[in-house]
Amino acid sequence: DAGVIQSPRHEVTEMGQEVTLRCKPISGHNSLFWYRQTMMRGLELLIYFNNNVPIDDSGMPEDRFSAKMPNASFSTLKIQPSEPRDSAVYFCASSLNRAETQYFGPGTRLLVL
Amino acid sequence: AQTVTQSQPEMSVQEAETVTLSCTYDTSESDYYLFWYKQPPSRQMILVIRQEAYKQQNATENRFSVNFQKAAKSFSLKISDSQLGDAAMYFCAYRRTSGSRLTFGEGTQLTVNP
Repeated sequence: DAGVIQSPRHEVTEMGQEVTLRCKPISGHNSLFWYRQTMMRGLELLIYFNNNVPIDDSGMPEDRFSAKMPNASFSTLKIQPSEPRDSAVYFCASSLNRAETQYFGPGTRLLVL
Repeated sequence: AQTVTQSQPEMSVQEAETVTLSCTYDTSESDYYLFWYKQPPSRQMILVIRQEAYKQQNATENRFSVNFQKAAKSFSLKISDSQLGDAAMYFCAYRRTSGSRLTFGEGTQLTVNP
């Protein structure tokens, strides 16, 4: 059974450019989470969806960040415009429901120059 | 607010020996879950073990076991018969039973020496 799939695995972009990260959750899971990992702040939740609906976006840093989940098998995290301080590893995770164990994807390493 | 603290930034162990990683947490909740995740150099976050707070019995998964002390708010991970593949960053995490947000500790970098 395939795990959580994220793309791209690595992204290098220049400041001011738009960045889109993609996630495909485990089939049958109806909760999806976006986390960011940095040296300074560790792992922190950005936003999570339940049944494709955003439930808690209090972790989204600012208006430059947006996330969507148009269907049960796909989600995007967009940064526009990107800044060097957005450089981090972004993880997507999914769970059977919001109360179950979260399984993580391999992450996207983003570098904004 | 819930907090998770891992006081050991780095630990090392000889291959085949046992090591214990420490984790403490702060919460006013009575029902919650605790987790240990492993992050090898590939950066993948891998679930190692999970403990429900209402269960007194410590969780065990093969060579991995926990020592859950609810009153002391302590949740340590014991790795027995350490293998080279156990080398990774280990994160302790907390989640309220009624919630979805995982709160992570700072991580402990484990080195396994041959």
